[in-house]
Amino acid sequence: EPEVTQTPSHQVTQMGQEVILRCVPISNHLYFYWYRQILGQKVEFLVSFYNNEISEKSEIFDDQFSVERPDGSNFTLKIRSTKLEDSAMYFCASSSGRLSNEQFFGPGTRLTVL
Amino acid sequence: KNQVEQSPQSLIILEGKNCTLQCNYTVSPFSNLRWYKQDTGRGPVSLTIMTFSENTKSNGRYTATLDADTKQSSLHITASQLSDSASYICVVSEGQAGTALIFGKGTTLSVSS
Repeated sequence: EPEVTQTPSHQVTQMGQEVILRCVPISNHLYFYWYRQILGQKVEFLVSFYNNEISEKSEIFDDQFSVERPDGSNFTLKIRSTKLEDSAMYFCASSSGRLSNEQFFGPGTRLTVL
Repeated sequence: KNQVEQSPQSLIILEGKNCTLQCNYTVSPFSNLRWYKQDTGRGPVSLTIMTFSENTKSNGRYTATLDADTKQSSLHITASQLSDSASYICVVSEGQAGTALIFGKGTTLSVSS
């Protein structure tokens, strides 16, 4: 069964460093998403991406964040200068369509900023 | 402000028993409502998706209801199993594009033998 994969599973970085989180969505899906979940808190929407551009983004997704689909399979989230409060689990998701289509989530990348 | 509220926060039941989880939302514009199951340290897994016009939807032992007038939903789990122990999250799709999901804090369900 196809699934969303994410790498690395755990990333530790120093405050101020740039990190890139990687995701491989399900191959025939067209919509891609990033979410984050701070430990003990609810999942929060960051951004949705379709046709090589951002469809929607939340207030959390400021200038420090960017997304890219560098090739036909990968979808990345870059944080330019990490802050302590960026420590969280980051989930990638993909769907074949929007609105009522199911979003399939990856296993997540745990980002720890020291 | 768009919000999704869930109750109870946590629940402990015996294996084989039924339970019902509640969700209230104040999200506009509303696109659809989803229930997800999230095991600890894993990504959420979709259980049901309901649009504005749907009142109920089932997925095996899981049955979700939606009252769009009162903006309430419930998830009923029948004949619970130990593997049902997880966080159950109510999620509302918001916005014109309907891609942004607003998550509740979840109900932590523990099923004991």
